[in-house]
Amino acid sequence: ILNVEQSPQSLHVQEGDSTNFTCSFPSSNFYALHWYRWETAKSPEALFVMTLNGDEKKKGRISATLNTKEGYSYLYIKGSQPEDSATYLCAFMEKTSYDKVIFGPGTSLSVIP
Amino acid sequence: DVKVTQSSRYLVKRTGEKVFLECVQDMDHENMFWYRQDPGLGLRLIYFSYDVKMKEKGDIPEGYSVSREKKERFSLILESASTNQTSMYLCASNPAYQGVGEKLFFGSGTQLSVL
Repeated sequence: ILNVEQSPQSLHVQEGDSTNFTCSFPSSNFYALHWYRWETAKSPEALFVMTLNGDEKKKGRISATLNTKEGYSYLYIKGSQPEDSATYLCAFMEKTSYDKVIFGPGTSLSVIP
Repeated sequence: DVKVTQSSRYLVKRTGEKVFLECVQDMDHENMFWYRQDPGLGLRLIYFSYDVKMKEKGDIPEGYSVSREKKERFSLILESASTNQTSMYLCASNPAYQGVGEKLFFGSGTQLSVL
């Protein structure tokens, strides 16, 4: 079983704070790393798809980096807002079986107004 | 607007019942997935399918089976529901390998309670 880990498990921050989460994954047979945001009562939605070592992606106040050699990715949120409250999931796709997508346990973020 | 539709948002069943969870996608995706989500455990892969009538076990297939008779429809079957199968079930799909790290599109989930 592939092991994808995320930390922290949960996070409570004040509105305006910046924060970051970590996803670690196997460093061999890398194909892609996804980040998803899952808001309560909604479906998970993809934030970023990252395929190359050193990739940096940005969407508004949210950005992500990727290090495939050491097997980690960081997600950053600058100036957190209450609407950023959600569970953030990372998912790993392996080259040998790229049709299989394995998720980490997620980081639950609560932004306090 | 692209869509993955799950037939029920909430479902209550009794122990021992046979349960069908249905998922339909309108994006002509080759791959379809069934996950279950439990607190602290994230999304765990039950089964996936990469083509009609083709299926592969995920990490927790025990107690489940699947059916994919048409490209757009992927069904999850609980042959004899048990209380430890109470969970949120999510269906997802994505296209086959295109070299761009194909993201998943999710349904809205089915909260199944087995009493």
